[in-house]
Amino acid sequence: QQQVKQSPQSLIVQKGGISIINCAYENTAFDYFPWYQQFPGKGPALLIAIRPDVSEKKEGRFTISFNKSAKQFSLHIMDSQPGDSATYFCAAVYGQNFVFGPGTRLSVLP
Amino acid sequence: KAGVTQTPRYLIKTRGQQVTLSCSPISGHRSVSWYQQTPGQGLQFLFEYFSETQRNKGNFPGRFSGRQFSNSRSEMNVSTLELGDSALYLCASSSGTAPLVPQYFGPGTRLTVL
Repeated sequence: QQQVKQSPQSLIVQKGGISIINCAYENTAFDYFPWYQQFPGKGPALLIAIRPDVSEKKEGRFTISFNKSAKQFSLHIMDSQPGDSATYFCAAVYGQNFVFGPGTRLSVLP
Repeated sequence: KAGVTQTPRYLIKTRGQQVTLSCSPISGHRSVSWYQQTPGQGLQFLFEYFSETQRNKGNFPGRFSGRQFSNSRSEMNVSTLELGDSALYLCASSSGTAPLVPQYFGPGTRLTVL
C-alpha cells in the first residue's frame, strides 16, 4: 500500500511534443504529491506539487493532473525541449511518510 | 544562497567496513533527510532529522543510522558494509514545516562497496 507506481520507465519525445508521465498509488492517506526532476550527476529537485483537493496545477510548461477517484496523477510537459531531458520522479506524502516512484527517463530529441 | 553540500562525493570501501557520510543543509533549514538511490530500487527514503531528533525512518536495517547536530548538519553511518549498499546516497534539506517534502537535494555521495 506504500508503493507508488510510475510509467513509462523511459520516454522519447520529439522537440515540441508533449511528454506525459503517469503515477498511481493505493494508500488514500497520501495527501501531497510532488514531482522531482533529476539531471545526470545532480540530485533531484522539486519541480511541482499538488494536493488531492485540486484536479490540476500548472507552472509554465509543466502541468500536474490529479484524479482522486482513480488514485492517479500525471505530469505533462508541454512543448518539450532537449533541456527537459532528465529523470522524473513522482512521489506521495502523508504525515512523515514519503514514497518515491521508480522514475521515468525522458529524452527529448532535437 | 549556498545549496546542500555533501562530502565526500565518492567513496570506495570493502565489505565489513563502516562509513560516515556528511550533509550540510541550506542555511536556516532544520530538516535533513537521507535517501538511497540504486538503479534497481530507485530512490528510497532512509530517515529524516529535524532539530537533532529523528522524526521519521524508512525500512532499512539498523546498520544504517544517522544523527543531526545543533547547526543542522547531519551525518549518516553505515556499519558492516555489504555489496548491496553500493549506491548514490542523497541528502535533502527542507525548512521542516509540514508536510515532509524535501525541497533541495545535494549532489550525493557515490558509495562503492568492493
